[in-house]
Amino acid sequence: DAGITQSPRYKITETGRQVTLMCHQTWSHSYMFWYRQDLGHGLRLIYYSAAADITDKGEVPDGYVVSRSKTENFPLTLESATRSQTSVYFCASRGRTNTGELFFGEGSRLTVL
Amino acid sequence: QQQVKQSPQSLIVQKGGISIINCAYENTAFDYFPWYQQFPGKGPALLIAIRPDVSEKKEGRFTISFNKSAKQFSLHIMDSQPGDSATYFCAASLGNEKLTFGTGTRLTIIP
Repeated sequence: DAGITQSPRYKITETGRQVTLMCHQTWSHSYMFWYRQDLGHGLRLIYYSAAADITDKGEVPDGYVVSRSKTENFPLTLESATRSQTSVYFCASRGRTNTGELFFGEGSRLTVL
Repeated sequence: QQQVKQSPQSLIVQKGGISIINCAYENTAFDYFPWYQQFPGKGPALLIAIRPDVSEKKEGRFTISFNKSAKQFSLHIMDSQPGDSATYFCAASLGNEKLTFGTGTRLTIIP
């Protein structure tokens, strides 16, 4: 099916471990984004990418790494997970022409013990 | 630094009533103001959006009111239904830049 998919949907890990959350979109959208959602904070931007090989920091980038070697994929890596990174992570994409609409995946719930 | 402030955090409205969620922004250069709706276990989805050259936009039961001088905008849901129960996020952006979201409002419509 076309759209934006995230994997895994649920992940439990331990402090200090590396975790990668995957995001794949089939629309060939130029822009891709990673947000985290936490109660009381809403959606906060971690990183975004305007095109393959172009990434930029958002509001809360510390502790995260992204790459975008292909237009359709935008993985998010937590190099050494901390408990404060327990959250629901959403990937989103948007086309180059700015209608403004972001298309979100269904989220990846990460628990760091 | 929170550029978009949203209130209330939660809201309970009776079926058939009017739900009102408010947002205020700081950056006067923002030129796009969308509202997103999120159901449990799902990602947010665009509900309705407005640009600052108009004061109101209506789509069905959903209306955005925009007050440029006060730097405020609000979402009104008329004839609220149980199916409207969700979390609502306001947001703002400048041009092609990334969206800045509010903190969200959990809306519950009771029979």
